[in-house]
Amino acid sequence: SQQGEEDPQALSIQEGENATMNCSYKTSINNLQWYRQNSGRGLVHLILIRSNEREKHSGRLRVTLDTSKKSSSLLITASRAADTASYFCATDGNDYKLSFGAGTTVTVRA
Amino acid sequence: EADIYQTPRYLVIGTGKKITLECSQTMGHDKMYWYQQDPGMELHLIHYSYGVNSTEKGDLSSESTVSRIRTEHFPLTLESARPSHTSQYLCASSESGIRGANVLTFGAGSRLTVL
Repeated sequence: SQQGEEDPQALSIQEGENATMNCSYKTSINNLQWYRQNSGRGLVHLILIRSNEREKHSGRLRVTLDTSKKSSSLLITASRAADTASYFCATDGNDYKLSFGAGTTVTVRA
Repeated sequence: EADIYQTPRYLVIGTGKKITLECSQTMGHDKMYWYQQDPGMELHLIHYSYGVNSTEKGDLSSESTVSRIRTEHFPLTLESARPSHTSQYLCASSESGIRGANVLTFGAGSRLTVL
């Protein structure tokens, strides 16, 4: 069974607003990663946070990790139309196999 | 864009046909993966390889087979396609980074439709 589970399944926001999505997982991890998938394409790696880190920033992305709750969140600030995509969390249990959830579909309205 | 190539991008075939989905990467990555993804659904790992002559089945049972004769090439084969095989197949590769982090680079995917 898959490890990560994203919430919400879908999110619609106005351009310029922030988008927040959450990921919960079940077992211990080495790190947690977020990927983006544009419609009909492959996934692109966005950011990685290790199990001993609590927060990470990259440009307009902010990721948090709470290992006690087995959860992570991804915040996209000042969203743009180009941010319209599906976002997946992936957990790495140090066995070189990433487990993905079903993703959050984000639509940014102009 | 990533240096990992999948062909064909789209394939529509009839039931019973044999198909091979090609995946090649030019990054010299030792690890390669095949994921299956249905629309709006999670990705399921169906095959992976940690190097030449190494192949393993993933978490989701699949009737497909793979081979890894060369580092850069990881084709997936279905001997007799069925409508239940209709899906998007994503190939990915990785090499262990600093402190063991495993970041995947994905191809653009092969969308298979079996009639």
